[in-house]
Amino acid sequence: QKEVEQNSGPLSVPEGAIASLNCTYSDRGSQSFFWYRQYSGKSPELIMSIYSNGDKEDGRFTAQLNKASQYVSLLIRDSQPSDSATYLCAVTTSSASKIIFGSGTRLSIRP
Amino acid sequence: NAGVTQTPKFRILKIGQSMTLQCTQDMNHNYMYWYRQDPGMGLKLIYYSVGAGITDKGEVPNGYNVSRSTTEDFPLRLELAAPSQTSVYFCASSYSARAVGSNYGYTFGSGTRLTVV
Repeated sequence: QKEVEQNSGPLSVPEGAIASLNCTYSDRGSQSFFWYRQYSGKSPELIMSIYSNGDKEDGRFTAQLNKASQYVSLLIRDSQPSDSATYLCAVTTSSASKIIFGSGTRLSIRP
Repeated sequence: NAGVTQTPKFRILKIGQSMTLQCTQDMNHNYMYWYRQDPGMGLKLIYYSVGAGITDKGEVPNGYNVSRSTTEDFPLRLELAAPSQTSVYFCASSYSARAVGSNYGYTFGSGTRLTVV
């Protein structure tokens, strides 16, 4: 089992709709969870972090965490063409010395 | 702020050649990391450092070496380049991976695109 799993996509969402990205992780001791956005040919950019069960909202982005189910999600409301990118889920190890990345979900927003 | 600076941005190596990828950060971060990203794949951790003089292996350390003599610099050395090392290399830094409850994700450099032929 991979430590951090994501559906590779591509996930195609119409402009203005809600995009939902999901991630599961295997280490029950993980305490910090991140979503990064990566445009083609660019470096990853941190867009959300979450540490407690529940929802965390920042503008059009909402991160959701369920530690019992070992599940993290990212919702993007009012999706824009500029949201088209690969979204990487990242989780700290239980020792908290490093972050493990999923392989990413490619999101495409269609006009 | 410069953030994390990586050099060079592009490089073509011949099999068996050696090179050093440079990484410098000016944010006084203790933690630094080297990742590689193959086409269409996620990031694989090569080596990391929790402070000057301390380094440790990640998921894919074979064929690489690192050193951390200062807080700012974390160079990655390829001794005998192989085609399997063709990839994009990212350096990253953070205050602390243990910073639960605060927004301490990684800051990434712009990457080095390496091709071994």
